[in-house]
Amino acid sequence: EAGVAQSPRYKIIEKRQSVAFWCNPISGHATLYWYQQILGQGPKLLIQFQNNGVVDDSQLPKDRFSAERLKGVDSTLKIQPAKLEDSAVYLCASSLGVGRRWFGAFFGQGTRLTVV
Amino acid sequence: EDKVVQSPLSLVVHEGDTVTLNCSYEVTNFRSLLWYKQEKKAPTFLFMLTSSGIEKKSGRLSSILDKKELFSILNITATQTGDSAVYLCAVEHNYGQNFVFGPGTRLSVLP
Repeated sequence: EAGVAQSPRYKIIEKRQSVAFWCNPISGHATLYWYQQILGQGPKLLIQFQNNGVVDDSQLPKDRFSAERLKGVDSTLKIQPAKLEDSAVYLCASSLGVGRRWFGAFFGQGTRLTVV
Repeated sequence: EDKVVQSPLSLVVHEGDTVTLNCSYEVTNFRSLLWYKQEKKAPTFLFMLTSSGIEKKSGRLSSILDKKELFSILNITATQTGDSAVYLCAVEHNYGQNFVFGPGTRLSVLP
């Protein structure tokens, strides 16, 4: 079974530039998560989708971050404009979905973003 | 505010030692507690615990949950250098498979 795919693996940008990350979840997984993990901290949920609807985006800095999952499969996370404090690993995860038997979420390899 | 606390934050042991990692939580509408191992970047799923007092085991790893005292422990016996990683505790709360992570425990196993 293919895992959660993310790209790019690494990205270095200057502050005030824009960046986008892509995630392809495990086939058949209805729930998709984007997490931000700053060095030395646990992952922090940015946004959770159930199919193409948003379940929770309460911690997403909406003035600069946006995410979409238009067809309920792939998702993109965008930062515009980036700040130095956005330097982190951005993890995408997926799970079977709300109301279905829960085996935990499966994570992609993440994208390491460095803002200089 | 929902909170997950892990201790210790870092730990250095030698191969063969046994370690116990702690996770305590304060969340609304607790549903389950999950342990993950994070090497490099991607956390990998270890255990999911929903009931108190029932130990889950996988090889040298085991975990148990106490829902009355709101904590869980992860034990690793006969540690190996390959156990070196960050161990993350996550608690599913409310509904909708929404969960919050603790800061992690960084375990280093020396040969």
